[in-house]
Amino acid sequence: AQSVSQHNHHVILSEAASLELGCNYSYGGTVNLFWYVQYPGQHLQLLLKYFSGDPLVKGIKGFEAEFIKSKFSFNLRKPSVQWSDTAEYFCAVPPQNNQGGKLIFGQGTELSVKP
Amino acid sequence: DTGVSQNPRHKITKRGQNVTFRCDPISEHNRLYWYRQTLGQGPEFLTYFQNEAQLEKSRLLSDRFSAERPKGSFSTLEIQRTEQGDSAMYLCASSASSGPHYEQYFGPGTRLTVT
Repeated sequence: AQSVSQHNHHVILSEAASLELGCNYSYGGTVNLFWYVQYPGQHLQLLLKYFSGDPLVKGIKGFEAEFIKSKFSFNLRKPSVQWSDTAEYFCAVPPQNNQGGKLIFGQGTELSVKP
Repeated sequence: DTGVSQNPRHKITKRGQNVTFRCDPISEHNRLYWYRQTLGQGPEFLTYFQNEAQLEKSRLLSDRFSAERPKGSFSTLEIQRTEQGDSAMYLCASSASSGPHYEQYFGPGTRLTVT
């Protein structure tokens, strides 16, 4: 079955530290890739997305992600985290050949940023 | 607020009772999705609609679950004869029908607790 793996379940960082969260998906070919974020007490919201073109994608709040096709990866990065980045982060992909239906989510990475 | 809304936000019910949740999508979106999220996991797809047509159902959606979107606007998700294993957060999302370049907007969810 197609899947999305997020390697880090809980990451704890101090403010100003750099962040990289891993995401790997299980199939090749054309992919659309998403990172969603869920701040405490809030609903899931889109952080950034990749459809085609430049494999380095910039999102909101200084986040970026790099699509590496050969590694089936779409890792999320931020050079300097803030306390307000404390949240749960989910990587998601649609199934292969899916035209506008479901997303398959990873199990999420909880990020705690210490002030 | 013109985002996705869900009601109720919390529901506590006894095992064996029926429950119904409502989702109101963003008004111009014709795709509507239901997901289920349990603690420590990412959202899992349940079903989705394009307008009033239910186009896909997950194997997670047992016979006790039914979803409708009668006029292509709001949707309801009903669970009959609830079981403790149904305790979860039920998320609704909507998107515009624009080929593969869809972005799903999520509501705040309905947290179901079955006692």
